[in-house]
Amino acid sequence: GEDVEQSLFLSVREGDSSVINCTYTDSSSTYLYWYKQEPGAGLQLLTYIFSNMDMKQDQRLTVLLNKKDKHLSLRIADTQTGDSAIYFCAESYSGAGSYQLTFGKGTKLSVIP
Amino acid sequence: GAGVSQTPSNKVTEKGKYVELRCDPISGHTALYWYRQSLGQGPEFLIYFQGTGAADDSGLPNDRFFAVRPEGSVSTLKIQRTERGDSAVYLCASSPQENTEAFFGQGTRLTVV
Repeated sequence: GEDVEQSLFLSVREGDSSVINCTYTDSSSTYLYWYKQEPGAGLQLLTYIFSNMDMKQDQRLTVLLNKKDKHLSLRIADTQTGDSAIYFCAESYSGAGSYQLTFGKGTKLSVIP
Repeated sequence: GAGVSQTPSNKVTEKGKYVELRCDPISGHTALYWYRQSLGQGPEFLIYFQGTGAADDSGLPNDRFFAVRPEGSVSTLKIQRTERGDSAVYLCASSPQENTEAFFGQGTRLTVV
């Protein structure tokens, strides 16, 4: 079955870049996503990338996809204290007419002022 | 409202009781998803509706769990004979159509004591 793995913790200094990594196993994934979850809040979609793309940039966010290695990364430039949250990598599985998301366990990003 | 609304936000119930969790999707969204997030884990897919019908219920853990969406808008997740292991945050998401951006609600935190 599908599996998405992420490191559990990342700590960076304010102003530095953060890089959160993710690996996945389902080669038939159509979209790969990054979600942000702040304490007590729902999931917020940050960005997504279609599986035939290598890179996507959106303001301070850069997503890199290595489809051969099934590796996805999220780079946050000029990390701010407001970026402290849990970041989830997810892939969409479109088998059997469904579009369920498979999530990793999340990476907790701590930004040190 | 503008977003996905879930009620109640918190629910404490005794083991063995029946509970209903409600989701109001964004108006006009045809796709609706239920996920369950246990402590320290990423969300896990439960069920996906396209309109009124459950297009994929492969994530429901057992026959104690059931969900409906009778008019293609509001959905109710029903859990019979609750167990302590059912304690989790239950998240609902909706999207305009399948495999487009899914917007998540704040979730219902269910605690079974």
